[in-house]
Amino acid sequence: GAVVSQHPSRVICKSGTSVKIECRSLDFQATTMFWYRQFPKQSLMLMATSNEGSKATYEQGVEKDKFLINHASLTLSTLTVTSAHPEDSSFYICSASRGGISGANVLTFGAGSRLTVL
Amino acid sequence: GQNIDQPTEMTATEGAIVQINCTYQTSGFNGLFWYQQHAGEAPTFLSYNVLDGLEEKGRFSSFLSRSKGYSYLLLKELQMKDSASYLCAVKDSNYQLIWGAGTKLIIKP
Repeated sequence: GAVVSQHPSRVICKSGTSVKIECRSLDFQATTMFWYRQFPKQSLMLMATSNEGSKATYEQGVEKDKFLINHASLTLSTLTVTSAHPEDSSFYICSASRGGISGANVLTFGAGSRLTVL
Repeated sequence: GQNIDQPTEMTATEGAIVQINCTYQTSGFNGLFWYQQHAGEAPTFLSYNVLDGLEEKGRFSSFLSRSKGYSYLLLKELQMKDSASYLCAVKDSNYQLIWGAGTKLIIKP
């Protein structure tokens, strides 16, 4: 089955520093990956769609200069939270679909990264 | 606007049956998904419905009525490990996933 690896699972950083989160599709190529954010007791909020070889598509209200996304290969997308602040503390989850985004193609999620900014 | 409604929380007893409802209003429809999410973990896929009717998969079943914009997830023979949030998501006409807020299911012994 499709496996998505996300790293790190937990990170604690000081305010003002940058944090990079990696998302890898281990056994399939993912031209499209998705980055979500989830606050406690809330549902998933799509932040951006990461497209291999091109710029990411950001959802309304998500600062592209703060949340840098790079999808340099068919198996790796990275999310960098720049100049992190305590309000950026959240659970970040990436996902990818083996067969693209249409129809019955199921999203496989990474295990998530819990970011705590002090 | 696009909207998906699910109950916020439900409680059920171990060994019993519970039905979690989901209603949706979206621009187009290209399938409905149910995901399970344990606290602090990523969601895992449970079921997919694109045609009307019931899809059964072991203890879990999912039902869809497109004309009513309605789905439910039925969990039988509940186990303590079924305590989790259950997320309903619909693919709209652009194949974008619209997520519900999730239903937290609490199982009591």
